[in-house]
Amino acid sequence: DAKTTQPPSMDCAEGRAANLPCNHSTISGNEYVYWYRQIHSQGPQYIIHGLKNNETNEMASLIITEDRKSSTLILPHATLRDTAVYYCIVEDQGAQKLVFGQGTRLTINP
Amino acid sequence: NAGVTQTPKFQVLKTGQSMTLQCAQDMNHEYMSWYRQDPGMGLRLIHYSVGAGITDQGEVPNGYNVSRSTTEDFPLRLLSAAPSQTSVYFCASSYSSRGQETQYFGPGTRLLVL
Repeated sequence: DAKTTQPPSMDCAEGRAANLPCNHSTISGNEYVYWYRQIHSQGPQYIIHGLKNNETNEMASLIITEDRKSSTLILPHATLRDTAVYYCIVEDQGAQKLVFGQGTRLTINP
Repeated sequence: NAGVTQTPKFQVLKTGQSMTLQCAQDMNHEYMSWYRQDPGMGLRLIHYSVGAGITDQGEVPNGYNVSRSTTEDFPLRLLSAAPSQTSVYFCASSYSSRGQETQYFGPGTRLLVL
C-alpha cells in the first residue's frame, strides 16, 4: 500500500505557484520523499526527492516539515505543460521499488 | 542516448496467447523494472532486476515472467494472456539499486486482451 495521502485533484492558474501537499505520517527515518509526475499517456517523470532538508532544482522545490510527516511540492511558475498527475512516494533509499498511489491530478488553467 | 525504449507501442491479444514486451536501455543502468498501470490507477510493480542474471518479484508478478541476460534488455513475457492483463505497461531503469537514484521510464506499451 502507498504510504502517502494526496488530494485527488487541484487547479492552479497559469503563472502562479502550484503547491501540492502530501501527507506521510508513518515515514521512517531512512525513507526519502520522491515526487514524480505523469503527463497524459506518457511514462512517469522524476521531479525531485529529499530526506529532511528542503530541496530545489530547475523543475521544483520540495519543502519537508520538521517532523517529516508531510511535504509540499512547489512549481513556482506553473505553465499549461505542467498539467499532469503528480505522485508523492515515500521509499527507502535502497529499495528502488516505488509504490505509486493515485496521485494528485493538477490542472493548470489559462 | 535513446533512453528507455519499449516495443511494441500497442498490442491486441486473444485470451490464452503469449507474447513478449520488449524493454531496452542504453544508459548502462544496473536496475530495471516493469510496472503496469490500470485505468485511473497508479503504477504497480510487476518484476524488477538489480543486474544481469538477477530478477525478483514485485507486487503483482503472477502471470508474468522476466529474464535479464544482458544489462541493456529486460523483456516481460505474458505466458497465457488474460483479460485482467489489459493494461499499460511501463519499463523503468536507474543507474543503481543503491541510494536514491532517479528512475527513467519508457513510453509504455498499451495491451488489450480480448
